[in-house]
Amino acid sequence: SQQGEEDPQALSIQEGENATMNCSYKTSINNLQWYRQNSGRGLVHLILIRSNEREKHSGRLRVTLDTSKKSSSLLITASRAADTASYFCATDQAAGNKLTFGGGTRVLVKP
Amino acid sequence: GAGVSQTPSNKVTEKGKYVELRCDPISGHTALYWYRQSLGQGPEFLIYFQGTGAADDSGLPNDRFFAVRPEGSVSTLKIQRTERGDSAVYLCASSLGWPGTDTQYFGPGTRLTVL
Repeated sequence: SQQGEEDPQALSIQEGENATMNCSYKTSINNLQWYRQNSGRGLVHLILIRSNEREKHSGRLRVTLDTSKKSSSLLITASRAADTASYFCATDQAAGNKLTFGGGTRVLVKP
Repeated sequence: GAGVSQTPSNKVTEKGKYVELRCDPISGHTALYWYRQSLGQGPEFLIYFQGTGAADDSGLPNDRFFAVRPEGSVSTLKIQRTERGDSAVYLCASSLGWPGTDTQYFGPGTRLTVL
């Protein structure tokens, strides 16, 4: 079963706009990770945020974590056509153990 | 260095046949994971190895699925008597396996199609 749920399921924006997607989960976590997937194949790790962190940045990516609401958000600023992909959040309930993924948000960035 | 590699990239088989899927983790990574992803869904955990031993195999759907990692590096996922419902992309990931190094690095996956 999947712990996380992403919202929205699909997102279509123009190049240059910001894209925001949210992830909710059910149980306590050790950390939360965001991945990108192109064409239904390998996942690319984007960012990891630990349960004691509230916000993290990496380039054009900003991730927030609210453990009281069991939710996280991923913001992609100044989107590019190359950002078109599916984005997944995944939670890790113990360091080094299995990841539980959400259903993903499919992002389309139109040039 | 090289990333996680998986072979074959595509596998087509007939219902009832046996298949093996191979994963080569990043050199030095002690933890290895298998996931399965159906179309339009997120990956689902199958099994996790720490070294040679299966630390958690709670995600294996039934006893037709089995995985090994005999030397603590390469892993093979084995599926007996394949069924059409086994069709999916099988993803492998590896991590350093040490506390505080939790990032899992994924391979490109093997797309299994059972006819």
